[in-house]
Amino acid sequence: SQQGEEDPQALSIQEGENATMNCSYKTSINNLQWYRQNSGRGLVHLILIRSNEREKHSGRLRVTLDTSKKSSSLLITASRAADTASYFCASGETSGSRLTFGEGTQLTVNP
Amino acid sequence: NAGVTQTPKFRVLKTGQSMTLLCAQDMNHEYMYWYRQDPGMGLRLIHYSVGEGTTAKGEVPDGYNVSRLKKQNFLLGLESAAPSQTSVYFCASSLLGGPQETQYFGPGTRLLVL
Repeated sequence: SQQGEEDPQALSIQEGENATMNCSYKTSINNLQWYRQNSGRGLVHLILIRSNEREKHSGRLRVTLDTSKKSSSLLITASRAADTASYFCASGETSGSRLTFGEGTQLTVNP
Repeated sequence: NAGVTQTPKFRVLKTGQSMTLLCAQDMNHEYMYWYRQDPGMGLRLIHYSVGEGTTAKGEVPDGYNVSRLKKQNFLLGLESAAPSQTSVYFCASSLLGGPQETQYFGPGTRLLVL
């Protein structure tokens, strides 16, 4: 099964609202990344948080990591219609050299 | 820079036919990857390469072969296509390997096997 599992699978909000997506993983990790995928396009890297960090910000993005619960969350504040996309977490095991992607959260921001 | 490009963008095959998907990157990255994306299953790693002339199996390698004869190119081959290989295929590259590295993705190849 996938290393990362995301929740919810789909999220629909109004423009201006905040969107929160969650990711859980199973094994010890070095870091965790979040990617975005617009419909019909490839994934684009958003942010990386290391295992010794608890929170990281980038513009309207806020990522948290709780290694004791093996979970991470991505918060998008003041959402815009252009934020409509699928969002994936990707984790790398401490002993590994590859990323394992979650199943993604489909975010729809309604204007 | 074009980044990561994939050829073709879309292809329809009949069961048993063969084809090769081409991935090219112009960022001088060492690592390259092939993923498939299916509804509800996220991205699954098929094969990857840690440098020119090397290849390694990923999570779902059966039915696929790969080659990395040149550093900038990574080819994915289907010798005898099956309907279960209907999917969207993404190529990615990273400067080095490991979970700390950002992966750069191509636009994808949509494959339909009838």
